[in-house]
Amino acid sequence: GESVGLHLPTLSVQEGDNSIINCAYSNSASDYFIWYKQESGKGPQFIIDIRSNMDKRQGQRVTVLLNKTVKHLSLQIAATQPGDSAVYFCAEKALQGSSNTGKLIFGQGTTLQVKP
Amino acid sequence: DAGVTQSPTHLIKTRGQQVTLRCSPKSGHDTVSWYQQALGQGPQFIFQYYEEEERQRGNFPDRFSGHQFPNYSSELNVNALLLGDSALYLCASSQGRVSPLHFGNGTRLTVT
Repeated sequence: GESVGLHLPTLSVQEGDNSIINCAYSNSASDYFIWYKQESGKGPQFIIDIRSNMDKRQGQRVTVLLNKTVKHLSLQIAATQPGDSAVYFCAEKALQGSSNTGKLIFGQGTTLQVKP
Repeated sequence: DAGVTQSPTHLIKTRGQQVTLRCSPKSGHDTVSWYQQALGQGPQFIFQYYEEEERQRGNFPDRFSGHQFPNYSSELNVNALLLGDSALYLCASSQGRVSPLHFGNGTRLTVT
């Protein structure tokens, strides 16, 4: 069935360290993945996306890695700051046949706690 | 440049009542999607509107309906409210149906 899941519900890191948040997806045919950050009381905020024809994409302090062989996605945050504390969701674009649709399938989220 | 705006921010209703939530998309966006987010869970897709028509629907009953207006704004209507409808309702907009979604801050609905 539809499933995008994260390996750990809570990740606690020291300020300045690097963070790695992991995600597993179930549909090997999916070709578009997104990471969102959700702070308390706010809606999800787009961080970075990646298409299945890539295995790595970098943004400002963030890197997304895609391993299609094991259907695994990760988000790396460099030099984690207190402002990075939030819930992080990976999301997968649902396919209808072989076409991308407008529907996102979200995982349950990983809470990132940054200790000063 | 205003992002996605939703109203109201909070709402309390009684079981059996009906509710209407509103959303204005980000400037330049023509597609609106609605998601339901239960506490501690990821958002669940309700439906998507494009060119004033429902284009895609998730696993939600007919009690959930929507509308998109010519100015691309949208409403989500829920009839015969159940306690289980209590959640954060998120609106997201995009340019076209498959570009990255931009979310609003949601409407927190509590059904008592």
